[in-house]
Amino acid sequence: DTGVSQNPRHKITKRGQNVTFRCDPISEHNRLYWYRQTLGQGPEFLTYFQNEAQLEKSRLLSDRFSAERPKGSFSTLEIQRTEQGDSAMYLCASSERISGANVLTFGAGSRLTVL
Amino acid sequence: TQLLEQSPQFLSIQEGENLTVYCNSSSVFSSLQWYRQEPGEGPVLLVTVVTGGEVKKLKRLTFQFGDARKDSSLHITAAQPGDTGLYLCAGEGGGTSYGKLTFGQGTILTVHP
Repeated sequence: DTGVSQNPRHKITKRGQNVTFRCDPISEHNRLYWYRQTLGQGPEFLTYFQNEAQLEKSRLLSDRFSAERPKGSFSTLEIQRTEQGDSAMYLCASSERISGANVLTFGAGSRLTVL
Repeated sequence: TQLLEQSPQFLSIQEGENLTVYCNSSSVFSSLQWYRQEPGEGPVLLVTVVTGGEVKKLKRLTFQFGDARKDSSLHITAAQPGDTGLYLCAGEGGGTSYGKLTFGQGTILTVHP
Protein backbone atom coordinates (compact mmCIF):
# COMPACT_ATOMS: atom_id res chain seq x y z
CA ASP A 1 0.00 0.00 0.00
CA THR A 2 1.42 3.35 -1.00
CA GLY A 3 -0.61 5.49 1.38
CA VAL A 4 -3.41 7.90 0.52
CA SER A 5 -3.48 8.90 -3.13
CA GLN A 6 -5.17 12.01 -4.50
CA ASN A 7 -5.80 12.98 -8.11
CA PRO A 8 -5.32 15.31 -9.79
CA ARG A 9 -2.58 17.06 -7.82
CA HIS A 10 -3.31 20.36 -9.51
CA LYS A 11 -6.41 21.65 -11.27
CA ILE A 12 -6.86 25.04 -12.91
CA THR A 13 -10.36 25.85 -14.04
CA LYS A 14 -12.48 28.77 -15.06
CA ARG A 15 -15.19 30.12 -12.83
CA GLY A 16 -18.46 28.30 -13.37
CA GLN A 17 -16.93 24.98 -14.38
CA ASN A 18 -17.37 21.73 -12.44
CA VAL A 19 -14.40 19.89 -10.99
CA THR A 20 -14.02 16.45 -9.41
CA PHE A 21 -11.27 15.18 -7.13
CA ARG A 22 -10.57 11.56 -6.35
CA CYS A 23 -9.12 10.02 -3.20
CA ASP A 24 -7.89 6.46 -2.78
CA PRO A 25 -7.41 5.77 0.95
CA ILE A 26 -5.29 3.15 2.67
CA SER A 27 -7.20 -0.05 2.02
CA GLU A 28 -7.48 -1.20 5.65
CA HIS A 29 -8.88 2.16 6.81
CA ASN A 30 -12.67 2.41 6.92
CA ARG A 31 -12.91 6.14 7.67
CA LEU A 32 -12.22 8.76 5.03
CA TYR A 33 -12.10 12.54 5.49
CA TRP A 34 -12.10 15.61 3.25
CA TYR A 35 -10.58 18.90 4.40
CA ARG A 36 -9.97 22.23 2.68
CA GLN A 37 -6.86 24.29 3.41
CA THR A 38 -5.80 27.76 2.35
CA LEU A 39 -2.20 28.93 2.43
CA GLY A 40 -0.68 29.08 5.90
CA GLN A 41 -3.92 28.03 7.64
CA GLY A 42 -5.06 24.84 9.30
CA PRO A 43 -7.22 22.32 7.45
CA GLU A 44 -10.94 23.04 7.59
CA PHE A 45 -13.24 20.05 7.99
CA LEU A 46 -15.61 19.36 5.07
CA THR A 47 -17.02 15.87 5.53
CA TYR A 48 -16.21 12.31 6.53
CA PHE A 49 -17.31 8.75 5.82
CA GLN A 50 -17.39 5.50 7.70
CA ASN A 51 -17.29 2.92 4.91
CA GLU A 52 -19.88 4.20 2.40
CA ALA A 53 -21.94 6.18 4.93
CA GLN A 54 -21.41 9.94 5.08
CA LEU A 55 -21.43 10.66 8.82
CA GLU A 56 -21.13 14.42 8.89
CA LYS A 57 -21.03 17.33 6.48
CA SER A 58 -19.80 20.77 7.48
CA ARG A 59 -22.36 23.56 7.53
CA LEU A 60 -19.76 25.61 5.70
CA LEU A 61 -20.20 23.36 2.70
CA SER A 62 -22.60 24.83 0.20
CA ASP A 63 -24.94 22.80 -1.99
CA ARG A 64 -22.36 23.10 -4.78
CA PHE A 65 -20.17 20.60 -2.97
CA SER A 66 -20.91 16.88 -2.93
CA ALA A 67 -18.85 13.92 -1.79
CA GLU A 68 -19.42 10.24 -2.36
CA ARG A 69 -17.83 6.98 -1.35
CA PRO A 70 -20.00 4.52 -3.26
CA LYS A 71 -18.37 1.22 -2.34
CA GLY A 72 -16.62 2.22 0.83
CA SER A 73 -13.27 2.39 -0.93
CA PHE A 74 -12.31 5.44 -3.01
CA SER A 75 -14.10 8.76 -2.66
CA THR A 76 -14.86 11.68 -4.96
CA LEU A 77 -15.40 15.33 -4.11
CA GLU A 78 -17.25 17.34 -6.74
CA ILE A 79 -17.56 21.11 -6.82
CA GLN A 80 -20.18 22.47 -9.18
CA ARG A 81 -20.20 25.99 -10.67
CA THR A 82 -16.82 26.81 -9.15
CA GLU A 83 -16.16 30.26 -7.69
CA GLN A 84 -12.85 32.03 -7.10
CA GLY A 85 -13.35 31.53 -3.37
CA ASP A 86 -13.15 27.78 -3.91
CA SER A 87 -9.44 28.09 -4.70
CA ALA A 88 -7.65 26.04 -2.05
CA MET A 89 -5.88 22.78 -1.33
CA TYR A 90 -8.33 19.90 -0.90
CA LEU A 91 -6.93 17.26 1.42
CA CYS A 92 -8.13 13.71 1.82
CA ALA A 93 -7.23 11.48 4.75
CA SER A 94 -8.06 8.02 5.96
CA SER A 95 -7.82 6.91 9.56
CA GLU A 96 -7.18 4.06 11.95
CA ARG A 97 -7.43 3.82 15.70
CA ILE A 98 -4.06 3.73 17.43
CA SER A 99 -3.80 3.63 21.23
CA GLY A 100 -7.29 5.03 21.73
CA ALA A 101 -7.04 7.81 19.16
CA ASN A 102 -8.33 8.21 15.62
CA VAL A 103 -5.14 8.97 13.67
CA LEU A 104 -5.25 10.45 10.17
CA THR A 105 -2.96 9.71 7.25
CA PHE A 106 -3.22 12.46 4.65
CA GLY A 107 -2.71 12.46 0.94
CA ALA A 108 -0.59 15.14 -0.72
CA GLY A 109 -3.70 17.10 -1.63
CA SER A 110 -5.34 18.45 -4.78
CA ARG A 111 -4.70 22.13 -5.38
CA LEU A 112 -7.57 23.96 -7.09
CA THR A 113 -7.16 27.32 -8.78
CA VAL A 114 -10.31 29.00 -10.07
CA LEU A 115 -9.66 31.81 -12.53
CA THR B 1 -18.70 23.72 17.43
CA GLN B 2 -15.31 22.72 18.80
CA LEU B 3 -12.66 25.37 18.19
CA LEU B 4 -8.91 25.17 18.76
CA GLU B 5 -6.93 28.35 19.23
CA GLN B 6 -3.30 27.92 18.33
CA SER B 7 -0.58 30.44 19.22
CA PRO B 8 1.59 31.98 18.11
CA GLN B 9 0.56 32.04 14.47
CA PHE B 10 4.10 32.87 13.32
CA LEU B 11 7.45 32.09 14.94
CA SER B 12 10.82 33.07 13.52
CA ILE B 13 13.84 32.04 15.56
CA GLN B 14 17.55 31.32 15.32
CA GLU B 15 19.01 27.83 15.31
CA GLY B 16 19.58 26.56 18.84
CA GLU B 17 16.73 28.49 20.47
CA ASN B 18 13.84 26.87 22.32
CA LEU B 19 10.18 27.47 21.55
CA THR B 20 6.71 26.54 22.70
CA VAL B 21 3.49 26.38 20.69
CA TYR B 22 0.13 26.40 22.48
CA CYS B 23 -3.21 24.91 21.57
CA ASN B 24 -6.25 25.90 23.62
CA SER B 25 -9.96 25.20 23.59
CA SER B 26 -13.02 25.43 25.78
CA SER B 27 -13.99 21.92 24.62
CA VAL B 28 -12.86 18.59 25.99
CA PHE B 29 -11.21 16.27 23.50
CA SER B 30 -10.85 12.50 23.59
CA SER B 31 -7.41 12.86 22.02
CA LEU B 32 -5.14 15.68 20.94
CA GLN B 33 -2.78 15.21 18.02
CA TRP B 34 0.09 17.24 16.59
CA TYR B 35 0.95 17.23 12.90
CA ARG B 36 3.71 18.86 10.87
CA GLN B 37 3.20 19.96 7.30
CA GLU B 38 5.69 20.98 4.64
CA PRO B 39 4.78 23.02 1.55
CA GLY B 40 2.94 21.03 -1.11
CA GLU B 41 2.40 18.02 1.15
CA GLY B 42 -0.28 16.80 3.50
CA PRO B 43 0.14 16.99 7.30
CA VAL B 44 2.14 14.18 8.92
CA LEU B 45 1.42 12.93 12.42
CA LEU B 46 4.02 13.73 15.10
CA VAL B 47 2.29 12.47 18.24
CA THR B 48 -1.03 11.58 19.84
CA VAL B 49 -1.92 12.20 23.49
CA VAL B 50 -5.06 10.74 25.03
CA THR B 51 -4.73 11.01 28.82
CA GLY B 52 -5.10 14.26 30.74
CA GLY B 53 -1.71 15.38 32.04
CA GLU B 54 0.13 13.10 29.66
CA VAL B 55 3.62 14.11 28.52
CA LYS B 56 5.34 12.56 25.52
CA LYS B 57 8.83 13.16 24.25
CA LEU B 58 10.02 12.66 20.69
CA LYS B 59 13.74 13.47 20.54
CA ARG B 60 13.87 17.29 20.96
CA LEU B 61 10.07 17.64 20.95
CA THR B 62 7.98 17.49 24.13
CA PHE B 63 4.19 17.32 23.99
CA GLN B 64 1.84 17.86 26.90
CA PHE B 65 -1.92 17.33 27.23
CA GLY B 66 -3.68 19.47 29.80
CA ASP B 67 -5.21 17.82 32.86
CA ALA B 68 -8.71 18.74 31.70
CA ARG B 69 -8.00 17.55 28.13
CA LYS B 70 -8.80 20.99 26.73
CA ASP B 71 -5.33 22.23 25.86
CA SER B 72 -1.90 21.09 24.75
CA SER B 73 1.59 22.40 24.15
CA LEU B 74 4.50 21.52 21.94
CA HIS B 75 7.99 22.45 23.12
CA ILE B 76 11.03 22.20 20.85
CA THR B 77 14.49 22.31 22.37
CA ALA B 78 17.49 23.57 20.40
CA ALA B 79 15.55 24.16 17.19
CA GLN B 80 17.19 23.28 13.89
CA PRO B 81 16.50 24.55 10.36
CA GLY B 82 14.99 21.15 9.56
CA ASP B 83 12.23 21.91 12.09
CA THR B 84 10.90 24.63 9.79
CA GLY B 85 7.29 23.99 8.79
CA LEU B 86 3.64 24.39 9.69
CA TYR B 87 2.72 22.84 13.03
CA LEU B 88 -0.90 21.87 13.56
CA CYS B 89 -2.78 20.68 16.59
CA ALA B 90 -5.96 18.68 16.11
CA GLY B 91 -8.58 17.65 18.64
CA GLU B 92 -10.69 14.54 18.33
CA GLY B 93 -14.26 15.07 19.42
CA GLY B 94 -16.45 12.83 21.49
CA GLY B 95 -20.17 12.14 21.50
CA THR B 96 -21.81 12.98 18.17
CA SER B 97 -18.44 14.23 16.88
CA TYR B 98 -16.68 10.96 17.65
CA GLY B 99 -13.80 10.41 15.25
CA LYS B 100 -13.93 13.90 13.77
CA LEU B 101 -10.71 15.92 14.03
CA THR B 102 -10.80 19.70 14.29
CA PHE B 103 -7.58 21.53 13.48
CA GLY B 104 -6.14 24.72 14.88
CA GLN B 105 -5.05 27.57 12.60
CA GLY B 106 -1.46 26.38 12.64
CA THR B 107 1.90 27.85 13.64
CA ILE B 108 4.36 28.66 10.88
CA LEU B 109 7.83 28.05 12.30
CA THR B 110 10.96 29.32 10.59
CA VAL B 111 14.35 28.39 12.04
CA HIS B 112 17.23 30.43 10.64
CA PRO B 113 20.74 28.90 10.47
